[in-house]
Amino acid sequence: DAKTTQPPSMDCAEGRAANLPCNHSTISGNEYVYWYRQIHSQGPQYIIHGLKNNETNEMASLIITEDRKSSTLILPHATLRDTAVYYCIQLQGGSEKLVFGKGTKLTVNP
Amino acid sequence: DAGITQSPRHKVTETGTPVTLRCHQTENHRYMYWYRQDPGHGLRLIHYSYGVKDTDKGEVSDGYSVSRSKTEDFLLTLESATSSQTSVYFCAISDFVSGGGLAGPRKQFFGPGTRLTVL
Repeated sequence: DAKTTQPPSMDCAEGRAANLPCNHSTISGNEYVYWYRQIHSQGPQYIIHGLKNNETNEMASLIITEDRKSSTLILPHATLRDTAVYYCIQLQGGSEKLVFGKGTKLTVNP
Repeated sequence: DAGITQSPRHKVTETGTPVTLRCHQTENHRYMYWYRQDPGHGLRLIHYSYGVKDTDKGEVSDGYSVSRSKTEDFLLTLESATSSQTSVYFCAISDFVSGGGLAGPRKQFFGPGTRLTVL
């Protein structure tokens, strides 16, 4: 079973920032937080991962709280193509076994 | 996009027949995975491989076998397909993140999927 909890759905206006929360209160010191998304019918797409520090790449930013029990994925300027299911996953370093929960269905509205 | 292809993309077969799905990568990544995705269950790991001829079971391995004779190919076989194996199958690949090593993070890259229907 997935160890993280996410809201089942969120809406965002096009051009605005989308902030997707994730709770991972059981995370241990060597577990990373990963974010993936799945656009309808396609294979999941890696977005970003982090351990302790905040991270940013060309797709998104990841903000991890100091106690590491929760994080927020930020899409700074959401577009209609960002409509997807977003998965937050905690996973031990070196482990292969991603466990996908139900994720958050993000709908970006025009 | 990572160079991952899956074949066939769609297949309809009958109960009791053998089925083999192929995943091919051009990235020379060490790790390869097979997942299935069903409504209400999300993605579940079937089997994975951590090198040529090295494989291990995932969460839902019963009824499936895999083989990896070359780095670039990972085959998933249903020896005798059942209706409960109707699903969308995704292949994925990964390797060490630069500087991460064995205990470091991985990024998995997924193929386009194969839709299998067992009648």
